[in-house]
Amino acid sequence: QSALTQPPSASGSPGQSVTISCTGTSSDVGGYNYVSWYQQHPGKAPKLMIYEVTKRPSGVPDRFSGSKSGNTASLTVSGLQSEDEADYYCSSYAGSNNWVFGTGTKVTVL
Amino acid sequence: QVQLVQSGSELKKPGASVKVSCKASGYTFTSYAMNWVRQAPGQGLEWMGWINTNTGNPTYAQGFTGRFVFSLDTSVSTAYLQISSLKAEDTAVYYCARGTVTTPFDYWGQGTLVTVSS
Repeated sequence: QSALTQPPSASGSPGQSVTISCTGTSSDVGGYNYVSWYQQHPGKAPKLMIYEVTKRPSGVPDRFSGSKSGNTASLTVSGLQSEDEADYYCSSYAGSNNWVFGTGTKVTVL
Repeated sequence: QVQLVQSGSELKKPGASVKVSCKASGYTFTSYAMNWVRQAPGQGLEWMGWINTNTGNPTYAQGFTGRFVFSLDTSVSTAYLQISSLKAEDTAVYYCARGTVTTPFDYWGQGTLVTVSS
């Protein structure tokens, strides 16, 4: 299946909010509430930030929130901090024990 | 604490094979599936597939059939990724990642860089 579509880049000043979209189809994002988001700093492994569309793992700041409408999921980072500068990827269950990642978004803190 | 520790970087010639290991600790190995994810240089994450750690049954994503093999040694809580007939385009960082249906990639290994060059 095809990768989910994310904008290549997003940016915001410290303290502002940034929202990243993740667009799929009714066969993945729109068909299941199994969308997750990952943060990846350069040279590091990805880190789970959001799962099941809106849930945060223990230890993830509540500045990170997720939502979904139709075939598009979104990650919002509120109160941007310098350490939030990273690449962000979404993933979705795509049926038949398959998963798909998004194309990735580079978030820059201005 | 949950840890996934992968084997070290590899430099291989085209046509050779490589086997990457992923040793799990801090949880019951057979209670979670193990996924494999590829990240080519400067590129995004690509799901390669997963292996059922109870049955050993693998599922391969499109584009990862034939030369890619997932395996297990449950006695040492370790998952393996073997790639045969290596090509230059297999150069990438390969990650293992634990998961379930609801949280597919909740813990990740540190990644293993496989470089294919003559």
